[in-house]
Amino acid sequence: AQSVTQLGSHVSVSEGALVLLRCNYSSSVPPYLFWYVQYPNQGLQLLLKYTSAATLVKGINGFEAEFKKSETSFHLTKPSAHMSDAAEYFCAGSNAGGTSYGKLTFGQGTILTVHP
Amino acid sequence: DGGITQSPKYLFRKEGQNVTLSCEQNLNHDAMYWYRQDPGQGLRLIYYSQIVNDFQKGDIAEGYSVSREKKESFPLTVTSAQKNPTAFYLCASTPGAAYGYTFGSGTRLTVV
Repeated sequence: AQSVTQLGSHVSVSEGALVLLRCNYSSSVPPYLFWYVQYPNQGLQLLLKYTSAATLVKGINGFEAEFKKSETSFHLTKPSAHMSDAAEYFCAGSNAGGTSYGKLTFGQGTILTVHP
Repeated sequence: DGGITQSPKYLFRKEGQNVTLSCEQNLNHDAMYWYRQDPGQGLRLIYYSQIVNDFQKGDIAEGYSVSREKKESFPLTVTSAQKNPTAFYLCASTPGAAYGYTFGSGTRLTVV
């Protein structure tokens, strides 16, 4: 069974600092992995996804994530935080096979605060 | 443009009332999902449907009902049996595992 764990429910950084949001997964089969961003009172927006084509995945708004099978991790990074990055971020995964038909398992979310 | 439309954006329910949240997609996706979001509790799956005229309970289905009579539509009814319905409700759809979900903009339901 798939599970996704986000380490840290709140992360605070200064504007211009590195953003690192952690995500670990457990899966018995190769997973598809995703990062989503949610601004207040809005739906979730896809930032990037890993589907086994490349281990370093670039997404929108300058974010990227690296799939590390040996560490079962898919951490999200951005070199320089901007005030507009303040939001809640969700890591999610689905199994490539089986009958789940794309049903995602979500982490608990990480709220990113950016200080001036 | 293709997408998912949830309506209304804000909904108020009186005690003992049933209310229905609308979710419509024009993406031609087979699978659709309903999630409930409460502060600090992440996303919890209510119901999902992988094909027309078929749906499955998620983790917190009690007090909710759904239908899937058309591919494009997956309405959620919050019944009077749901004792704490105040929450943000999200609808999503996907064509398959490698694509992830497309989400609607959500409906905020408040009991008055």
